[in-house]
Amino acid sequence: ILNVEQSPQSLHVQEGDSTNFTCSFPSSNFYALHWYRWETAKSPEALFVMTLNGDEKKKGRISATLNTKEGYSYLYIKGSQPEDSATYLCALSGNTPLVFGKGTRLSVIA
Amino acid sequence: DVKVTQSSRYLVKRTGEKVFLECVQDMDHENMFWYRQDPGLGLRLIYFSYDVKMKEKGDIPEGYSVSREKKERFSLILESASTNQTSMYLCASKKRADIYEQYFGPGTRLTVT
Repeated sequence: ILNVEQSPQSLHVQEGDSTNFTCSFPSSNFYALHWYRWETAKSPEALFVMTLNGDEKKKGRISATLNTKEGYSYLYIKGSQPEDSATYLCALSGNTPLVFGKGTRLSVIA
Repeated sequence: DVKVTQSSRYLVKRTGEKVFLECVQDMDHENMFWYRQDPGLGLRLIYFSYDVKMKEKGDIPEGYSVSREKKERFSLILESASTNQTSMYLCASKKRADIYEQYFGPGTRLTVT
């Protein structure tokens, strides 16, 4: 069974701070890594799908990196805003359905 | 835009009732999934389907069944609802290959009393 770990479990930052969190996964049989943002009362929304070692993707103030050899991905948020408050999920895909981590819950305090 | 819709946002049912949760997607996706989300436990996969009339058990299928008679519709059935099935239920769909994004519905908050 694939195990996807996310840390920290929750995080409080001040508006304007930059922050990052981690997704760890088994490095063998890697296929793709997904990042989602899940705001309260909304559906999880896909942020990135990453497949190649060394991949770096960016969407506005949010970016992600991938290291498949050591089995981790970082999600960075630059200059956090209150609207960034959400749970950030990572998920691993292979020959089976996506395996999700438990998420990092981010609260940005104005 | 991909749209995944679920029949209800909030549902309250009594213990022992048969409950149907419906999910419909409009992008001709082959794969459909049902998850439940509970505090501290993350998203857990209940059942999934790779195509019409196909179904596979996920990590926590006990107490649930599913039906996929049409490609766009995937139903989750609680044969006899119990209080430990009180949860947020999320449906999702995606194209067949693994690198594609998975799209989620808005969720159904089910309370079993």
